[in-house]
Amino acid sequence: DIVVTQSPDSLAVSLGERATINCRSSQSVLHSSNNKNYLAWHQQKPGQPPKLLIYWASTRESGVPDRFSGSGSGTDFTLTISSLQAEDVAVYYCQQYYTTPLTFGQGTRLEIK
Amino acid sequence: QVQLVQSGAEVKKPGASVKVSCKASGYTFTTYYIHWVRQAPGQGLEWMGVIIPSGGSTSYTQKFQGRVTMTRDTSTSTVYMELSSLSSEDTAVYYCARAASMVTYFDYWGQGTLVTVSS
Repeated sequence: DIVVTQSPDSLAVSLGERATINCRSSQSVLHSSNNKNYLAWHQQKPGQPPKLLIYWASTRESGVPDRFSGSGSGTDFTLTISSLQAEDVAVYYCQQYYTTPLTFGQGTRLEIK
Repeated sequence: QVQLVQSGAEVKKPGASVKVSCKASGYTFTTYYIHWVRQAPGQGLEWMGVIIPSGGSTSYTQKFQGRVTMTRDTSTSTVYMELSSLSSEDTAVYYCARAASMVTYFDYWGQGTLVTVSS
């Protein structure tokens, strides 16, 4: 199984400041056939289901604000929120879909400082 | 608009089974896969398996093999996930999620169904 590990487990950032969450997979999720990284980021607010933010490691889902961006390739990835807003308080999960079993990181809790 | 609407909360006794439904609307039911993911209280997300609505084929993660059954009813665009031999460790919110294939991202999630296992 591909193990996905996020860092940090929790993060407190001031409003308007940058937030950065890291994600590492135990093996590469870059598919040689199409040069795509099989990695997504989901946001989960309290009491709600997860919501897709980013797929193919860096493609923003329709309707997601452009302050959210994803980067990285192979085994190391980053989710960046360029200017934190109050509504961004949530738990963020990265997920690999390179192979089954599909696996998620443990989550990163983002709070306002 | 795409919607995945799940059945309501359940309370079950240890050893019992639970069957959770996920009704899809807003798209052609047979053209997308439905995955099931669970989340224990205060914990992370765990993938359980997937069903292909067009033919009914399934793939389950090894942890749940022999205990989980995913089925579908194309006439009502509904997918079902049944989990048997419940224990307290199965207390969790169960989500269905849509994806274009077995190995691609989830673009829509159901609202979740809380299953509580308690004697």
